[in-house]
Amino acid sequence: DVKVTQSSRYLVKRTGEKVFLECVQDMDHENMFWYRQDPGLGLRLIYFSYDVKMKEKGDIPEGYSVSREKKERFSLILESASTNQTSMYLCASSFPGGREGYTFGSGTRLTVV
Amino acid sequence: QKEVEQNSGPLSVPEGAIASLNCTYSDRGSQSFFWYRQYSGKSPELIMSIYSNGDKEDGRFTAQLNKASQYVSLLIRDSQPSDSATYLCAVNLNFGNEKLTFGTGTRLTIIP
Repeated sequence: DVKVTQSSRYLVKRTGEKVFLECVQDMDHENMFWYRQDPGLGLRLIYFSYDVKMKEKGDIPEGYSVSREKKERFSLILESASTNQTSMYLCASSFPGGREGYTFGSGTRLTVV
Repeated sequence: QKEVEQNSGPLSVPEGAIASLNCTYSDRGSQSFFWYRQYSGKSPELIMSIYSNGDKEDGRFTAQLNKASQYVSLLIRDSQPSDSATYLCAVNLNFGNEKLTFGTGTRLTIIP
């Protein structure tokens, strides 16, 4: 079974903390993505990566960075967490070309207090 | 105009009836189209994909694509309470594009 695993289901962090969200996939997918999902705004792309050590900004990269040192792992970093980063964070992976859609992880609900 | 547009609902359908969900997209060059189902508090799961004009059936689900009208729909026959969820339309807007663009979703409620 295809698995995209996100390390935490729920996280509570304090304003100003550095936060790491981890995502691991076991499907040998080249592409990996980080989205956030907020009510009324839908899914918004933060960053994506189409190869190891490669990354591209999505629609809302401000306040975030990413790391992809290995093909199976894609990390999202909140450099200094703020309350407006409270959200559901979704990791996804796919084969190149976009023909087969994404497989999503189970999501991390992050609350910044 | 949004790139991928869906009616946000909520859409209420009696149990056993056909639920019809619609999606329009902006780019005529779009090649791949997907429907995801998302239960409250859960992540999206892929239920249908379609690439060619016409209908594609999978069990109780039928996806319909009309590229000339830039329109894709999802029909759910014999609707069940377990079909109550938000349905997301996703489009690969440009040929060879690695990214999907999502609509904001339609919330469907099946009334027993």
